Amino acid sequence: GAGVSQSPSNKVTEKGKDVELRCDPISGHTALYWYRQRLGQGLEFLIYFQGNSAPDKSGLPSDRFSAERTGESVSTLTIQRTQQEDSAVYLCASSLDIGGYYGYTFGSGTRLTVV
Amino acid sequence: AQTVTQSQPEMSVQEAETVTLSCTYDTSESNYYLFWYKQPPSRQMILVIRQEAYKQQNATENRFSVNFQKAAKSFSLKISDSQLGDTAMYFCAFNNAGNMLTFGGGTRLMVKP
Repeated sequence: GAGVSQSPSNKVTEKGKDVELRCDPISGHTALYWYRQRLGQGLEFLIYFQGNSAPDKSGLPSDRFSAERTGESVSTLTIQRTQQEDSAVYLCASSLDIGGYYGYTFGSGTRLTVV
Repeated sequence: AQTVTQSQPEMSVQEAETVTLSCTYDTSESNYYLFWYKQPPSRQMILVIRQEAYKQQNATENRFSVNFQKAAKSFSLKISDSQLGDTAMYFCAFNNAGNMLTFGGGTRLMVKP
């Protein structure tokens, strides 16, 4: 596609439920990144994919968080047993070059609210 | 570990005036890349300007320019002739081939008419 697409745009879920967030990167972009942005704060790195592999999972906050990427395209971030502290905007980005030296292209994010 | 610090949580400027946003970073690497991103209320992060550390010349993109001081590890953004549409959060970011951008905490800029 022309840009990075994320769905849903907004998600309200009850505490304890599982949620899936989806990211469609720009076609041909090898690298894909997930960040979390709490209200009024900066971006916190979660995970990145090089192709379908995730070399660095160190940013995932807990074992309730997992992510996968298939076909070097779509990625899904799954949060199990959601907690109120998971409320945030989850941003996805992709880049053509593995190092992201020319910057990333971001999606508009998914705003997750856990009630 | 690399860190990026933006010491100004909020700033305001009158329309048509110039404003400078500060950013400092900490790294032991010699070659790296620095970025400024803009995040309007729509939430989408937009790349404003990019600087390669091995280039001494400061990057410029229309009304946006940077003052890159490598020895001081400083990377400030200057916005000239500020426009109402410049109102947004601005994030400084760093990449040293670690395959992820490290972001500062952001500066909220308000352009007043």
